[in-house]
Amino acid sequence: DTAVSQTPKYLVTQMGNDKSIKCEQNLGHDTMYWYKQDSKKFLKIMFSYNNKELIINETVPNRFSPKSPDKAHLNLHINSLELGDSAVYFCASRQAGGANTEAFFGQGTRLTVV
Amino acid sequence: DQQVKQNSPSLSVQEGRISILNCDYTNSMFDYFLWYKKYPAEGPTFLISISSIKDKNEDGRFTVFLNKSAKHLSLHIVPSQPGDSAVYFCAGGNAGNMLTFGGGTRLMVKP
Repeated sequence: DTAVSQTPKYLVTQMGNDKSIKCEQNLGHDTMYWYKQDSKKFLKIMFSYNNKELIINETVPNRFSPKSPDKAHLNLHINSLELGDSAVYFCASRQAGGANTEAFFGQGTRLTVV
Repeated sequence: DQQVKQNSPSLSVQEGRISILNCDYTNSMFDYFLWYKKYPAEGPTFLISISSIKDKNEDGRFTVFLNKSAKHLSLHIVPSQPGDSAVYFCAGGNAGNMLTFGGGTRLMVKP
């Protein structure tokens, strides 16, 4: 029973398209995240979201937007895709507020923009 | 500005020996630190953590050491096993709910 699941696992699309990546967690966590792993393998935070607050990494282009229909879901929408958006995107969730609480990650979505 | 750095992109160790993975940080506001392990085509999985008020935490073959004055932490794996071959990420966390990751170190344990 997967704790954090994201779909699709692979996504190939053309420049200029709009696409979404879905993420769901069944852990009852109150905070969800999107991370981007770039070509140099760095894991960089994009968004942190709970039902109270959205925190956006200021380096993320506004073509990227998180959408949370409910506490268990945080989908990532990307408009006008560019070649440089090609990367692996990871969703994660965590029960924030406690000490030493780890984040649980999804399996990743490899996005390839051609 | 990289707040968490793993300066060794790769490490090769013989099976049965000790693996030591290092991590440096610059942000004094981190409350705790975590190590994640990542296999290809999978998401990172949590391995071990340490609070900023401690200097050591041990869990089986895995021990994390924290030197706050040097802003340095390390993960020791002993004895190393071939199944430990993966990419290891260290991360710093704080009450702001963000985890900031290092660039990862690829560990290869040779049989």
